[in-house]
Amino acid sequence: KNQVEQSPQSLIILEGKNCTLQCNYTVSPFSNLRWYKQDTGRGPVSLTIMTFSENTKSNGRYTATLDADTKQSSLHITASQLSDSASYICVVSVFSGNTGKLIFGQGTTLQVKP
Amino acid sequence: NAGVTQTPKFQVLKTGQSMTLQCAQDMNHEYMSWYRQDPGMGLRLIHYSVGAGITDQGEVPNGYNVSRSTTEDFPLRLLSAAPSQTSVYFCASRRGADNEQFFGPGTRLTVL
Repeated sequence: KNQVEQSPQSLIILEGKNCTLQCNYTVSPFSNLRWYKQDTGRGPVSLTIMTFSENTKSNGRYTATLDADTKQSSLHITASQLSDSASYICVVSVFSGNTGKLIFGQGTTLQVKP
Repeated sequence: NAGVTQTPKFQVLKTGQSMTLQCAQDMNHEYMSWYRQDPGMGLRLIHYSVGAGITDQGEVPNGYNVSRSTTEDFPLRLLSAAPSQTSVYFCASRRGADNEQFFGPGTRLTVL
């Protein structure tokens, strides 16, 4: 069964600290993996996309990694800011022709405190 | 570009009432989808469309209908609202199967 699991479910850190969010998937065949950020009361917004051949990608203070062998991805946030408080959702795309099936993780809720 | 727009932002219904959630995108995207988001359950796909005139069911389609008469619009109809349909609904669109998905701002629906 195609599945995406994220950990931890929630996380509280102090402003300026780093943190790492985890995403494990059992999706086959794999097409790509995206991390989305969802601010409270808004729709998710894409942060990064990782394809099978990529193992690191950065977007400002956000760095995503992908290990296709172990089927794990992580999102590292450096020097956290209050505006990083949000839910972070890992989404894996199934390679299935034109249907474009997406498997969503349940998300990690991050709270950054001053 | 306005991106993906949804109306209304908030709605309260009584059990048994029907209504339509509106979704429109101005990016000429072929793929459009409706999701519901409930606490602790993440985003779940209700219905999706891969082009005008083509729709299909997602994982939680019961109680909802969709149609796609134009590329731009993808309305979601609740036929007879039930309290279990209390949720936040997101519409999304993307250019192709592997492209970035853009989400609307959401509609918060409460069914009493």
